[in-house]
Parts: sequence; C-alpha cells; structure tokens
Amino acid sequence: EDQVTQSPEALRLQEGESSSLNCSYTVSGLRGLFWYRQDPGKGPEFLFTLYSAGEEKEKERLKATLTKKESFLHITAPKPEDSATYLCAVRSDFNKFYFGSGTKLNVKP
Amino acid sequence: GAVVSQHPSRVICKSGTSVKIECRSLDFQATTMFWYRQFPKQSLMLMATSNEGSKATYEQGVEKDKFLINHASLTLSTLTVTSAHPEDSSFYICSARDMSGSGYNEQFFGPGTRLTVL
Repeated sequence: EDQVTQSPEALRLQEGESSSLNCSYTVSGLRGLFWYRQDPGKGPEFLFTLYSAGEEKEKERLKATLTKKESFLHITAPKPEDSATYLCAVRSDFNKFYFGSGTKLNVKP
Repeated sequence: GAVVSQHPSRVICKSGTSVKIECRSLDFQATTMFWYRQFPKQSLMLMATSNEGSKATYEQGVEKDKFLINHASLTLSTLTVTSAHPEDSSFYICSARDMSGSGYNEQFFGPGTRLTVL
C-alpha cells in the first residue's frame, strides 16, 4: 500500500538550532517526492522536487535529501519565520499523489 | 511563475445553499487540477482530480453529486458545493499541475477557501 509518513508531528526549536524532518514513503514506482511549506490559513507553497536516491536540493536554510525509503528536510540555523507546517508528498507510477500529515515546526526566538 | 488563485477566499452561507469556488492558474496552462479538503490540524485530503474537457475523477467516499467539479478551460476549474450543510464547513484548496517544461510534476496550490456553513 502506498503511503507517506512524516515525523515528528511537531518540532520546537530555538532560533539557530539546526534539525531535520523525516518523510518515509512506500510507493509503487516513485515519480517524484515533493516538499511544501504551509502557513496557517494558506495553501501549501512548493519548495522542492526530488526524483532519485542521492539527489539533494537547497534553498536558503533548507536542504532536502532523498534515499530509496525516505527524505529528509534539513533546516540549518532556523529563524522564527521558518515556523510553519512542512508537508511531504509523493507521486506514484499510477499518477497518484500521496501526502503525509505534516510536521509542524515552531522556531522560538 | 506557477501562480494559482482561488476565489473567494472566505465564504459564509446558510445551510441548503450552494457555493461555487473558482480555481485559476494565472500564468500557466493546467490540464489537470486537484481539489483538496483540509480539516483543522490535519493534512490534505484529495477529493477529486479534474481534467480539462472531461469528467472529474472522485476519490472514494466523495459524493460527486454534492461536490460538482467543472474544468472548462486550461486555466479554470470550479468546485460547487451543493446544498451545503454545516458538516461541509472546511478549508478547500485547489492545485494545478504545470504541464510545460521542468514543472511537469509539481502541483502548485491556491491560497485556499474557508467555507463556513451556518
């Protein structure tokens, strides 16, 4: 069964305290793994797409990596404005998208 | 690029009325649009996939007669919640896939519509 599991559900960090969010997946034929950021009351904002194991992408303080079973979103020296819910999704061979339940990140000044 | 708009952003209606939500891709063509529903503190629940010029594909458990979807052009899809009831109150979000170039895979999301049924 295709599914996406994100952990932890919630994460509290002090400003500057680096950490990683996890997205584990099982899917029949990975056609892409996607990371989104969602602020309260808003639609998800696209961050990254990863296609194959070993691939990495970076954007400011965020870096996404991919293995055959999971993806990590590394946050380096986070700032309070990085506080949001981070969603992971995968696209399968059957053109279906599966979303994880998200990790709610709270960065305290 | 890859901007998706939704209208309205908020709507309050009486029970029994119908509400139409529009989803537009502003700077790209989207042959496929998706409609999601999101409950508080929960992730996105896919309701249906909308393909331009054809009938929408609904996920299991989603009533197609209650949630009418029309994808009349490459930049516009509409979701009509018919005979709305309080349990339909939710945050509705659409997304669109950019079928051109390297953006083939990604979904770009609209800002969402908060529906409150009294």
